[in-house]
Amino acid sequence: TQLLEQSPQFLSIQEGENLTVYCNSSSVFSSLQWYRQEPGEGPVLLVTVVTGGEVKKLKRLTFQFGDARKDSSLHITAAQPGDTGLYLCAGARGNEKLTFGTGTRLTIIP
Amino acid sequence: DAGITQSPRHKVTETGTPVTLRCHQTENHRYMYWYRQDPGHGLRLIHYSYGVKDTDKGEVSDGYSVSRSKTEDFLLTLESATSSQTSVYFCAINPGTTNYGYTFGSGTRLTVV
Repeated sequence: TQLLEQSPQFLSIQEGENLTVYCNSSSVFSSLQWYRQEPGEGPVLLVTVVTGGEVKKLKRLTFQFGDARKDSSLHITAAQPGDTGLYLCAGARGNEKLTFGTGTRLTIIP
Repeated sequence: DAGITQSPRHKVTETGTPVTLRCHQTENHRYMYWYRQDPGHGLRLIHYSYGVKDTDKGEVSDGYSVSRSKTEDFLLTLESATSSQTSVYFCAINPGTTNYGYTFGSGTRLTVV
């Protein structure tokens, strides 16, 4: 049973467009993290959100944690080819091990 | 300057042979994890360690064993490799607070033929 569902699974858009990817669960998480993974490498942490309704910005990337702490979204403004990669969300309950979503594979076309 | 390294990066082995993958960290982090990554399944936890000689099973532990005799090293052993264990294996470390996130190694691509 996958606790964290990510959508869409695949997304291919033109450079300069905006996009949003989603991470949803029926479980409540104490924190949620987003990672980006490039081919041949391990995932790299982008951000951790811990408070319901929290919004964090990382340059053109905006991360939001749902009010009920069951879901999260990642919005990218003016996408660039360097944003291409696999985006993974991961949730934690207390200090337990992270549970990872299946990922969104993003391709930005120049 | 990587604080976590995995070896080997690539390996091809035959069905039925034992295989050991190594994860080495220089961060002195307490927690270490082994994941496998497969298309459609994302990252699935195999085993993890919360200290020297302290390990526990993850969700896909059958056919795998681990050992941690030193803080810096976490070994994953496939007792008798099967084709279903063909995968990319990642090691991760964490200082002890999940909110800090995990630091991942670059992975080992294992092919069982």
